[in-house]
Amino acid sequence: QKEVEQNSGPLSVPEGAIASLNCTYSDRGSQSFFWYRQYSGKSPELIMFIYSNGDKEDGRFTAQLNKASQYVSLLIRDSQPSDSATYLCAVKEPGGSYIPTFGRGTSLIVHP
Amino acid sequence: EADIYQTPRYLVIGTGKKITLECSQTMGHDKMYWYQQDPGMELHLIHYSYGVNSTEKGDLSSESTVSRIRTEHFPLTLESARPSHTSQYLCASSEYERVSGGEQYFGPGTRLTVT
Repeated sequence: QKEVEQNSGPLSVPEGAIASLNCTYSDRGSQSFFWYRQYSGKSPELIMFIYSNGDKEDGRFTAQLNKASQYVSLLIRDSQPSDSATYLCAVKEPGGSYIPTFGRGTSLIVHP
Repeated sequence: EADIYQTPRYLVIGTGKKITLECSQTMGHDKMYWYQQDPGMELHLIHYSYGVNSTEKGDLSSESTVSRIRTEHFPLTLESARPSHTSQYLCASSEYERVSGGEQYFGPGTRLTVT
């Protein structure tokens, strides 16, 4: 059974701080890792994906992947109240036949 | 930007009715998915498709059925709606990994209420 674990939160950070969201996964064969943001009552939207060990930056977002330790994290710099949402981690094995496994999501609250 | 559409956005229907939730995408993606999500809860995969004439059941036992006659269209049908079907239904699509990383793009969702 493939598992993707996230702390449900809520994670509360002040405006302007760095928010750090973590995700661990059980399947060592996982190759693709995705972060989605989901506002309350809305559908998930892709923030970024990462395949290689290390960091990947996109604007205020940085994804970090450590395959040896089987975790992937998302850093949000200069957090804004508009970043308040649930962040979903998804993990996928290589190949076209595999379906992503989603975590339960971490609720982030950025307070002014 | 992803172009994936779902209709209706909101639906209130009585028990026992047959309903079809529509999902269409204009990106030419081969893979499509249906998820069910209750408020504040995790996503549950109920059906997916690798391409035309390909459909598979997901992790969540569901009384719904799907079809994939055209690449862009992946409708979900409930033959007899029950109050336990009340939920949000999300459609998603992705390319095969040979083309991209296989990231999914989600439609806006259909919020279904069965009375």
